[in-house]
Amino acid sequence: DAGVTQSPTHLIKTRGQHVTLRCSPISGHKSVSWYQQVLGQGPQFIFQYYEKEERGRGNFPDRFSARQFPNYSSELNVNALLLGDSALYLCASSLAPALQETQYFGPGTRLLVL
Amino acid sequence: AQSVTQPDIHITVSEGASLELRCNYSYGATPYLFWYVQSPGQGLQLLLKYFSGDTLVQGIKGFEAEFKRSQSSFNLRKPSVHWSDAAEYFCARREYGNKLVFGAGTILRVKS
Repeated sequence: DAGVTQSPTHLIKTRGQHVTLRCSPISGHKSVSWYQQVLGQGPQFIFQYYEKEERGRGNFPDRFSARQFPNYSSELNVNALLLGDSALYLCASSLAPALQETQYFGPGTRLLVL
Repeated sequence: AQSVTQPDIHITVSEGASLELRCNYSYGATPYLFWYVQSPGQGLQLLLKYFSGDTLVQGIKGFEAEFKRSQSSFNLRKPSVHWSDAAEYFCARREYGNKLVFGAGTILRVKS
């Protein structure tokens, strides 16, 4: 079975631009979460979606937004990119957003903002 | 806010030696705890998890972890390290709202 997939794998943007990152969860998983991992740090929670509704949001500015589609795939959008947005963006999926559910991570999208 | 602390940024062990990576979590109700491993340029792979019950948890690749409530710790161990274990290891806890809160990670180097 396919795991969590993310596209693109790498991306280079300039300051002020907009970016869209995509994630397809494991088949049967209905919850998707997004994390930002800056070099040298642990991942930080950005969003969680379940059944197309936002279920949680981390401490990120409104430039960050996301959505989930009827097939449970998800997009993360970042507007007005800053140099500090350069990071590995990880998507994780789980069956549901319950405490005991394990989140499985994709390989990530590495974003470089110049 | 609840947090996770990994005191060691880097650890170097010889191949075949035993390994222990430390993880401490801040006070709270029974925590849901995880260990993930990340190889260079890769995503996170789940090694093991603790929700309740037996405090010694077995995971993949020969890893185990022990939950000690009195010490607020969830240390990861392996009796004999292989060169392929070189990677970055993250301890995490599940918080209310189902988000994962990660420690800063420990980079493991294995010398032959």
